[in-house]
Amino acid sequence: EDKVVQSPLSLVVHEGDTVTLNCSYEVTNFRSLLWYKQEKKAPTFLFMLTSSGIEKKSGRLSSILDKKELFSILNITATQTGDSAIYLCAAVTYTGTASKLTFGTGTRLQVTL
Amino acid sequence: NAGVTQTPKFQVLKTGQSMTLQCAQDMNHEYMSWYRQDPGMGLRLIHYSVGAGITDQGEVPNGYNVSRSTTEDFPLRLLSAAPSQTSVYFCASSYGRTAYEQYFGPGTRLTVT
Repeated sequence: EDKVVQSPLSLVVHEGDTVTLNCSYEVTNFRSLLWYKQEKKAPTFLFMLTSSGIEKKSGRLSSILDKKELFSILNITATQTGDSAIYLCAAVTYTGTASKLTFGTGTRLQVTL
Repeated sequence: NAGVTQTPKFQVLKTGQSMTLQCAQDMNHEYMSWYRQDPGMGLRLIHYSVGAGITDQGEVPNGYNVSRSTTEDFPLRLLSAAPSQTSVYFCASSYGRTAYEQYFGPGTRLTVT
């Protein structure tokens, strides 16, 4: 059974702090690792990671994948209250005819003033 | 583009009733999928489709049916609603036959009493 585990489950930080969110996976036929941000409603796409060791960056957010140790991290520097959200990671696997996503339970981040 | 649309936004059903959750996308995406999101469980895949006439089961398919007669629409049918199906349902789509960068609809909050 495919499994994706995120830690911590929740986190409260002060504005300006740097946070690291973790995602480990045990899946069959791994293809890629995705990160999403979910505020009040639908998840929105942040990053797709396919190759090990190559950092993806978007503003204050960055992410990296380690395919040997089967994990990814999402870093947020200089956090702002607008970063408060649930962060989801998902492993993309290939079934033989199509690909599908297995999500972790998410990390709830709260950024306070 | 409207993106991915879902109707209704909210629904209350009695145990044993049936209903269809509607999902449509106007991005000409081949890949469409349905997830349910429960507290502490993350997003779990119910069914997915890689094109018109092709559907497959995800992680939690029991109690749900899907069909894909057009590229644009992917309705989810609850055959006989149960309280365990109380959840938030998200439809998502992506380009081609892959589940990579999925675009999510706004969700349907379903309560079964």
